[in-house]
Amino acid sequence: GAVVSQHPSWVICKSGTSVKIECRSLDFQATTMFWYRQFPKQSLMLMATSNEGSKATYEQGVEKDKFLINHASLTLSTLTVTSAHPEDSSFYICSAEDRGTDTQYFGPGTRLTVL
Amino acid sequence: GDSVTQMEGPVTLSEEAFLTINCTYTATGYPSLFWYVQYPGEGLQLLLKATKADDKGSNKGFEATYRKETTSFHLEKGSVQVSDSAVYFCALSGAQKVTFGIGTKLQVIP
Repeated sequence: GAVVSQHPSWVICKSGTSVKIECRSLDFQATTMFWYRQFPKQSLMLMATSNEGSKATYEQGVEKDKFLINHASLTLSTLTVTSAHPEDSSFYICSAEDRGTDTQYFGPGTRLTVL
Repeated sequence: GDSVTQMEGPVTLSEEAFLTINCTYTATGYPSLFWYVQYPGEGLQLLLKATKADDKGSNKGFEATYRKETTSFHLEKGSVQVSDSAVYFCALSGAQKVTFGIGTKLQVIP
């Protein structure tokens, strides 16, 4: 089946620094990727939709200047959390859409801890 | 907008018991419906899906039927195993995005 990878799987950073998370579709091309945030014991919250070669579409309430998304190729999207603060600590999950099957395939997630 | 309502857990069952996790949805048009599973410490995995009314998705002994008349997509398994312990998310694919339910934690005890 389709595989989506994320790197890193976990990261700890100091408050005020920036962290970049990569999302790759390994065996299919994804013109659309999605970034989610998952809080403990809660569902996934869609943060933004990343389209290859164009600007990301952010959901209401998500700061686009804080969560920078770049979708530079058909297999790679990156999320950069800028000037991270402890409240940004969360589990970030990406997914890539395989249009041929109308299915999203999820990465394993990245656990971000901001000290 | 689109929404998914899922029974809240946790659900605790003995091994070999019958499982039902209820899911209902609200959507415009004709969405595709999904069940995802998240095992402890892992990311979401697609469990099964259905793309049109009356379709039945099935995988690993789990099944769910797309019921348009009741806007439901309940997940069932006839005999659960300890290895089925996980969080199960119902989801729908609407206009350009996927909407998830809150997730139901299933714990199967020997």
